[in-house]
Amino acid sequence: AQTVTQSQPEMSVQEAETVTLSCTYDTSESDYYLFWYKQPPSRQMILVIRQEAYKQQNATENRFSVNFQKAAKSFSLKISDSQLGDAAMYFCAYHWTGANNLFFGTGTRLTVIP
Amino acid sequence: DAMVIQNPRYQVTQFGKPVTLSCSQTLNHNVMYWYQQKSSQAPKLLFHYYDKDFNNEADTPDNFQSRRPNTSFCFLDIRSPGLGDAAMYLCATSKISGRAPTDTQYFGPGTRLTVL
Repeated sequence: AQTVTQSQPEMSVQEAETVTLSCTYDTSESDYYLFWYKQPPSRQMILVIRQEAYKQQNATENRFSVNFQKAAKSFSLKISDSQLGDAAMYFCAYHWTGANNLFFGTGTRLTVIP
Repeated sequence: DAMVIQNPRYQVTQFGKPVTLSCSQTLNHNVMYWYQQKSSQAPKLLFHYYDKDFNNEADTPDNFQSRRPNTSFCFLDIRSPGLGDAAMYLCATSKISGRAPTDTQYFGPGTRLTVL
């Protein structure tokens, strides 16, 4: 079974500091993608970052970077220089190339403290 | 800007009264998805269209139906809404690459459904 686990229901970070959100997943497949989506209070789901499983190099998008550990099936998101606008629900998601589904974790609610 | 649009953003219906939610996209993507998201939960896939091919998730209730009259539009019909169907409904799209849809899904802003 393909599952995605986010063990931190809530996290908080001081503005300008760094925070890491955890995600683990379970799959027997080798060809897949991993994502972090952000869902602010306005509720539109926005893609933050994307990682192909076959790439060893960790994806980076400006202040957002991931630590992808394929053997450990771990995919954490690091947010550097946190801003008030980063406050949102963050979902980790998995997509196997042989199917259409996105499997979501249960989300981590991030609060940014001014 | 290319985007995914959902109308209405807020919908109130009465228990048992049919309701239709709309999604349109200007991304020219082949695949369109409908998700149900209840408060503080992850989105749950209801079904998706791969071009004109309809793919229903095994646990999607029969109360939920969908139509895709053309590439740009997709509708979610709830035939007899119950109180448990109150949720945010998210539409998403992705494009075909080779044999399978590419990985990235693009989401609309959602329609929040209230059932009285």
